[in-house]
Amino acid sequence: QKEVEQDPGPLSVPEGAIVSLNCTYSNSAFQYFMWYRQYSRKGPELLMYTYSSGNKEDGRFTAQVDKSSKYISLFIRDSQPSDSATYLCAMIPVSGSSNTGKLIFGQGTTLQVKP
Amino acid sequence: EADIYQTPRYLVIGTGKKITLECSQTMGHDKMYWYQQDPGMELHLIHYSYGVNSTEKGDLSSESTVSRIRTEHFPLTLESARPSHTSQYLCASSHPGHEANYGYTFGSGTRLTVV
Repeated sequence: QKEVEQDPGPLSVPEGAIVSLNCTYSNSAFQYFMWYRQYSRKGPELLMYTYSSGNKEDGRFTAQVDKSSKYISLFIRDSQPSDSATYLCAMIPVSGSSNTGKLIFGQGTTLQVKP
Repeated sequence: EADIYQTPRYLVIGTGKKITLECSQTMGHDKMYWYQQDPGMELHLIHYSYGVNSTEKGDLSSESTVSRIRTEHFPLTLESARPSHTSQYLCASSHPGHEANYGYTFGSGTRLTVV
């Protein structure tokens, strides 16, 4: 079983839709969470990071973490064709009182937003 | 704009050739990584380095080798390319202790095709 599970999609939505991307994890040592966006033929770029349960907003993007359920989500409001990309969740486990600095990636979800 | 550069962006090469994929970063990051990613598939860590003269194999077995003689430079070499090596290779770097806030910074990748 993978440490981080992410539905690979593909996910296709009309422009303006609300998109929900999700990851589940099994290791309670994961305490730091990130979302990356990867456009076709490009490297992943960091979109958002958070390390506490609850919501974090940045423009049209909201990252949600539920540590009790070991579940994280990325919501995209008013989705645009330019949001079409692969979205990868990533997590960092802690060891003792320090984060290990080692990112564990989900498989990525491919999103297409149609005009 | 990410300060990590990979060359070449695209490479088509014959079976049996020796190739070196270049990766350089100008951020002074101690940690560097090589990932392999097939289209629509997850990232697989193949090599990493925590500093000069430090190299380790990643989670996915690879016939490639790496070296880290300078902080800013982390080349990957295939001594004898085979069609099974066809993939996208992504280089990344991070600053120790800052991964929780900044994650890894990725290059744009090298798409390798071995014919």
